[in-house]
Formats: sequence, structure tokens, C-alpha cells
Amino acid sequence: GQNIDQPTEMTATEGAIVQINCTYQTSGFNGLFWYQQHAGEAPTFLSYNVLDGLEEKGRFSSFLSRSKGYSYLLLKELQMKDSASYLCAVRILLSSGSARQLTFGSGTQLTVLP
Amino acid sequence: DTEVTQTPKHLVMGMTNKKSLKCEQHMGHRAMYWYKQKAKKPPELMFVYSYEKLSINESVPSRFSPECPNSSLLNLHLHALQPEDSALYLCASSQEPLAGDPYEQYFGPGTRLTVT
Repeated sequence: GQNIDQPTEMTATEGAIVQINCTYQTSGFNGLFWYQQHAGEAPTFLSYNVLDGLEEKGRFSSFLSRSKGYSYLLLKELQMKDSASYLCAVRILLSSGSARQLTFGSGTQLTVLP
Repeated sequence: DTEVTQTPKHLVMGMTNKKSLKCEQHMGHRAMYWYKQKAKKPPELMFVYSYEKLSINESVPSRFSPECPNSSLLNLHLHALQPEDSALYLCASSQEPLAGDPYEQYFGPGTRLTVT
């Protein structure tokens, strides 16, 4: 089975930096994704890590340590519009060699305060 | 065009009704997915189609019946649903990923289903 843990809620102030952690236990690991989901909307892709290290995309960065089963999403220069749920998702490699199955963590609801 | 479209946006149906949800993408993606999402919960995978063939069925009850008529379309046929099936149903698509490929999933806006 798979187990993905992330905090339920976080609060931060506009302009600040926030780090959302995700830990996972899975077999057949084949990549970790971060998605953002605003209330009532579809999830949108933020970042992808399959090798250890840091991936940076503008105000968002994501880090992965495969040996520790750990990832974090770093959001800089927070804006009010960043208030959303942030979903950590692990993709596993199927026995067929294809890698399609994505399992989501429960999501972290981030509230950005003025 | 990086859009996945879903119709209808909202659907209210009785437990004896038959209805269908539709999903369409024109990105040339060969993998398509149905997810179910309850309020304040993450999306849960229901079905995966790869090259128009069903490749994953996550033990979904038979009252949900998926169909992939062609590489751009994905349907979810609903029959004799229960009130607990009320949820947001999300469709997604992606390139067919091999190990190491990013090929993130693109999600549609979802259909908000209420079963009365």
C-alpha cells in the first residue's frame, strides 16, 4: 500500500515564505507531483520531482529526498491568491512498465493573511 | 490547447436515473482518468484508460461504467447511484508516461454530482 502524509492546515502572512512538507511510503516510486487546488476548481500542476534535489519554478520550489521519502513545496513572496489546497501526489511504476497511477495526499489547506 | 473539458458542470439525479458524464481533450494524450473527490478530501482514482483500453479499475462499483469511444473522449455512465456517490467527478489526461517522464496530468473542471 501507499501512505502519504502532509499537514492539514497552514497559515502564513502575505509576502512571507511557507514550506509545506510531504512524507510518503510506497513501492515502485516514480515521481512526486505537487498540485494546487482552489475551492471548487480542478487541481493544477505546480511541480514534479523524480530525482533528489531542488526544482525551482518562479516563486515555487519543490524538493525531494527519495531515501527519506520526503518532499517539500516552498512558496515565496506569498500572495493572497496563493490561498488554496496543496496536494502532494506520488506516481508509482506499474508492473507493466507504465507509470500512470497517481495517489494523492489529503492536501494542505494554506491560508494567506494580509 | 491545454484544456480538458467536462460536461455537465452540475448534475442532479435521482437514484433510479441513468445519466452520463463527458470529458474531452485535444492534446493528443493517450492516457485518460476518472477521479472522484469528496469535499475537503483528495481526488481518488477510479479508472484509467490507456490507448482507449481500460487499464485500471480501482474496485469501483458497477453502477459506474466508463467508456472511451476514441482517443479524445471519455464517458462515465451512471446508473442506480446512491446518495453517498454525490461528489465532484474529475477527468484528467496525460501523455502516456514511461518511467522518469514528467507528463503531468491535466484536470478538467469537474462535474458536481448530487444524487437525491
